[in-house]
Amino acid sequence: DAGITQSPRHKVTETGTPVTLRCHQTENHRYMYWYRQDPGHGLRLIHYSYGVKDTDKGEVSDGYSVSRSKTEDFLLTLESATSSQTSVYFCAISESTGGPSEQYFGPGTRLTVT
Amino acid sequence: AQSVTQLGSHVSVSEGALVLLRCNYSSSVPPYLFWYVQYPNQGLQLLLKYTSAATLVKGINGFEAEFKKSETSFHLTKPSAHMSDAAEYFCAVSDGSSASKIIFGSGTRLSIRP
Repeated sequence: DAGITQSPRHKVTETGTPVTLRCHQTENHRYMYWYRQDPGHGLRLIHYSYGVKDTDKGEVSDGYSVSRSKTEDFLLTLESATSSQTSVYFCAISESTGGPSEQYFGPGTRLTVT
Repeated sequence: AQSVTQLGSHVSVSEGALVLLRCNYSSSVPPYLFWYVQYPNQGLQLLLKYTSAATLVKGINGFEAEFKKSETSFHLTKPSAHMSDAAEYFCAVSDGSSASKIIFGSGTRLSIRP
């Protein structure tokens, strides 16, 4: 299994509070991604990173920000959590070798915003 | 733009029966295609991938998928279902970018009847 951990694994927070989720990898892969998973929607890309300090928006980036100060860590921040951000969040990593590559996923973080 | 459509949000088969999960794709570039499996409360695990080599791709746990360009399909099959195959399955297509971004289908939940 790819060395990907996510913390926390579960979190309950109140509307309007800031929340930061952490993804840590030990594979030294260049690309990292944050997804959210909701019933009927599959996985939707929030933000991704293609290197230290290099990030870009995905399909559903509104209300989220990210940072990557080290190769191994990719943080997802909800500046002011809303109930619509209740979801399961997955981190993934990939190492492109000249063409599209598969992604490897972490175990997920279940976030509930009350 | 790339997209995938999974036909059937829920498929139920008897143990020992053929498993067929359907996926159709749309891609403006030669596609890289993937099937992932997600067991309850876990992250996604790669089952198999198509990268323009052999059109019949064999994966883990006895699954295989056939790339049919004329039908824009990449259906997943297994000759004989096992109880342990019960999970959610996601078809996905690379968006063709160098960042290895993947676009997921909405998923098919596979149930196995004893």
